[in-house]
Parts: sequence; C-alpha cells; structure tokens
Amino acid sequence: SYVLTQPPSVSVAPGKTARITCGGNNIGSKSVHWYQQKPGQAPVLVIYYDSDRPSGIPERFSGSNSGNTATLTISRVEAGDEADYYCQVWDSSSDLSFGGGTKLTVL
Amino acid sequence: EVQLVQSGAEVKKPGESLKISCKGSGYSFTSYWIGWVRQMPGKGLEWMGIIYPGDSDTRYSPSFQGQVTISADKSISTAYLQWSSLKASDTAMYYCARLRCGGDCSSYYFDYWGQGTLVTVSS
Repeated sequence: SYVLTQPPSVSVAPGKTARITCGGNNIGSKSVHWYQQKPGQAPVLVIYYDSDRPSGIPERFSGSNSGNTATLTISRVEAGDEADYYCQVWDSSSDLSFGGGTKLTVL
Repeated sequence: EVQLVQSGAEVKKPGESLKISCKGSGYSFTSYWIGWVRQMPGKGLEWMGIIYPGDSDTRYSPSFQGQVTISADKSISTAYLQWSSLKASDTAMYYCARLRCGGDCSSYYFDYWGQGTLVTVSS
C-alpha cells in the first residue's frame, strides 16, 4: 500500500503557525485528507481534497499539496488545537492509507 | 443529523468470537460505504476494510484480509465487524466511519465517525 510519512511531533507557541507535513511518492497527484484526534475522542475530519474545509472547521485550518509533500497549516494556534493529526489518501485500487500521525503540542 | 452509534466495550478471552456493531442514522445507509478503523493503544489509525451496505460489496486491507469479517444488515442500517478467534493483539479501539467522495469521486475520505468500541482481549 501507499506509504505516508509524518513527523512524530510538532511544537508551536500559541498564536503562531503550525505546519504538519505528510510525505509520499508523488503525493501531489493524489487527494489528501486530514483528521484531528483529541485524547479519548474519535477522529474528526478537518481538511478534505487537499484544501477544502468541512462546515464547522475554523478558517485557521488550511491545506496544500504539491510534489512529494502535503501540508496541513494551522494559523493562530490555540491551546484547543493540541491533538494528533493524521493524513490519509485513497488509492484507485480501493486501498486506503493513513499517515503515522503527528502530535501537535501547543507550548 | 448523521450519526454512527457503535456497540459498547467488550472484554473477551483469547480464542473467543466477537461481533461489534455500528448503526447509522440520519442519512441513506445504503448509499454510502462504511469503513472500519483500528487504533491500538497509543498508536495510529489503521484502515481495516469497507462495505457498501446497498449490495454488501466488501473490500479488505491486505493487512486484515482473512483476520476479520465485515458485514452489514441494511434492513436495520447496521454494519458489523467480526472475529472468529480473538488474540491478545486484537486489543484496540475500533471505529466505524462513513466514507464519501467529492464531486469527481477520485478520492474517498471519512466524513462521520462512530464513538469507538474498545475491545480488550485478555486471559
């Protein structure tokens, strides 16, 4: 299956910008989706199709995808954004892959 | 309102069988794929497989093929995940989630998730 690589952890100060990457071979040719999972809760979709936001997700969350790297960007980070974040892609052979996850720590 | 409600936590012994459920409401259950995702303690998300309740078409992740069985009963809008012989390594949280695609359906993602079912396998 398709391998997605995420950094295990990212730290950012409140009010700053966090960038979480998701690497994959020519990932720019695929659509990338992102999920937020807070401790003890089910994952929540925060970005789909590289850069679209579901209703209810703040505009502070944005995404991009090009080349071998997709990026989830969280602007004006708040304490409540502290969570694990996972990227995900769908392969045309009906296979689905998740990245290993990135723990976002708000300092 | 779309909801996926999963069955409660289970404690089982190795070798026992188990079937957990996921009931959908607030949408046409037969028109969307449902997927199952495993999360072992302290670990990441792993896709197990998906089912289309409309015709029971089922696809498995190669990692889980032959290890579990996914099924659905569209008459009661419920999907299932089943084990015939549990192992201690099956201890995990299991989530069901609705799979959907965008306009051109070139990709799929999970837009709604169940609350999770914790399965503990211990002698």
